[in-house]
Amino acid sequence: QSVLTQPPSASGTPGQRVTISCSGNSSNIGSNTVSWYQQLPGTAPKLLIYNNNQRPSGVPDRFSGSKSGTSASLAISGLQSEDEADYYCAAWDGSLNGLFGGGTKLTVL
Amino acid sequence: EVHLLESGGGLVQPGGSLRLSCAAFGFTFSNYAMNWVRQAPGKGLEWVSSLSHGGQSTYYADSVKGRFTISRDNSKNTLYLQMNSLRAEDTAIYYCAKDSYGYPSTFDYWGQGNMVTVSS
Repeated sequence: QSVLTQPPSASGTPGQRVTISCSGNSSNIGSNTVSWYQQLPGTAPKLLIYNNNQRPSGVPDRFSGSKSGTSASLAISGLQSEDEADYYCAAWDGSLNGLFGGGTKLTVL
Repeated sequence: EVHLLESGGGLVQPGGSLRLSCAAFGFTFSNYAMNWVRQAPGKGLEWVSSLSHGGQSTYYADSVKGRFTISRDNSKNTLYLQMNSLRAEDTAIYYCAKDSYGYPSTFDYWGQGNMVTVSS
């Protein structure tokens, strides 16, 4: 069981806005920044959001991140079929142990 | 362009050893921390280990502490993971990931992954 809690699945139709939550505690998300990774089927993960809400160059602005207290969220607006993937949140704890959420499988209906 | 190329995976018996390598291209290797992340078949991502840019600070998941050793050769732009006393539960795809800073922070680039299977 992951220390960071994500819903196992999420879904939406093309054009919709979908949010994925990530819940932690005061020693991880509450004290450190959150990043989000997208893993398309059969490929390596890719950085989507870092420092809670920053997008690397090349990531569409349809993807946005936020953090409040001990929780974080990833929002995807204007959902597209190519967004169908697994999404993982990540953070460090106070002992510099890396933590991943269990992952959320996003289905575009 | 950043490129990470893992090698060294394969099939090993329980209790055996294996060394993974990750050759780095396209950035100043010695300036950045490096990380290993694994993914068991059909499962989620699990952080394994991190190493600061100069190699002086190491970090390990409890599940591998005492069995795995992370190291780097900045003259060869290569990251290593020495895996000893391997168990069936170590079976996974192992990803090498570049960090965005000199100390563990964000995994900004990932290799293609290397499969390790521990089985008799």
